[in-house]
Amino acid sequence: QSVLTQPPSASGTRGQRVTISCSGSRSNIGSNSVNWYQQLPGAAPKLLIYINDERPSGVPARFSGSKSGTSASLAISGLQSEDEADYYCGTWDDSLTGPVFGGGTKLTVL
Amino acid sequence: QITLKESGPTLVKPTQTLTLTCSFSGFSLSTSGVGVGWIRQPPGKALEWLALIYWDDDKRYRPSLRSRLTIAKDTPKNQVILTMTNVDPVDTGTYYCAHTNPRAFEIWGQGTTVTVSS
Repeated sequence: QSVLTQPPSASGTRGQRVTISCSGSRSNIGSNSVNWYQQLPGAAPKLLIYINDERPSGVPARFSGSKSGTSASLAISGLQSEDEADYYCGTWDDSLTGPVFGGGTKLTVL
Repeated sequence: QITLKESGPTLVKPTQTLTLTCSFSGFSLSTSGVGVGWIRQPPGKALEWLALIYWDDDKRYRPSLRSRLTIAKDTPKNQVILTMTNVDPVDTGTYYCAHTNPRAFEIWGQGTTVTVSS
């Protein structure tokens, strides 16, 4: 059972906009910034969004993040077939004094 | 350019001790704010953080595994070692190390697969 809650799956057609939610509590998302990771099939995770809404260099502007209260969201606009992957949210938990991840969302591009 | 690479046994017997090494380049674990973490992923399941060590030797462990884990750094060798005692088949999975500065896992290694079986 993951500390952060994500929907297990999401889907969209090419060109569409999709959002993935991540729900937590005061001790994690409510008190700390949120990061998002993309894991392509058979590959290691890659940092996609950090500090809620910042993109590392090389990540397309189609990917955006937001946070409000104890929840966060990842939005992908102009969906492409290569976006088909597992997406994980992550943050720090002050009660556990360590990082926590969501259960992951499998994105399917129809 | 920061790179990390995990190494260790691919097969371990139940009750044995697992030792994994993360060898990295492109940064120093003596730089303020820098850390290296270990994260694992059981087959078909989600990411699970295990342990973290920072430049100042501050160490953090997943509470449920604290009694079985030890993380240490060898700064001159640019390595971080994770030891897990008394392994069980549920510890089977892919183990990743990642650079953190300070709380996002910015760069990940390719991962190493560990199977616990007799």
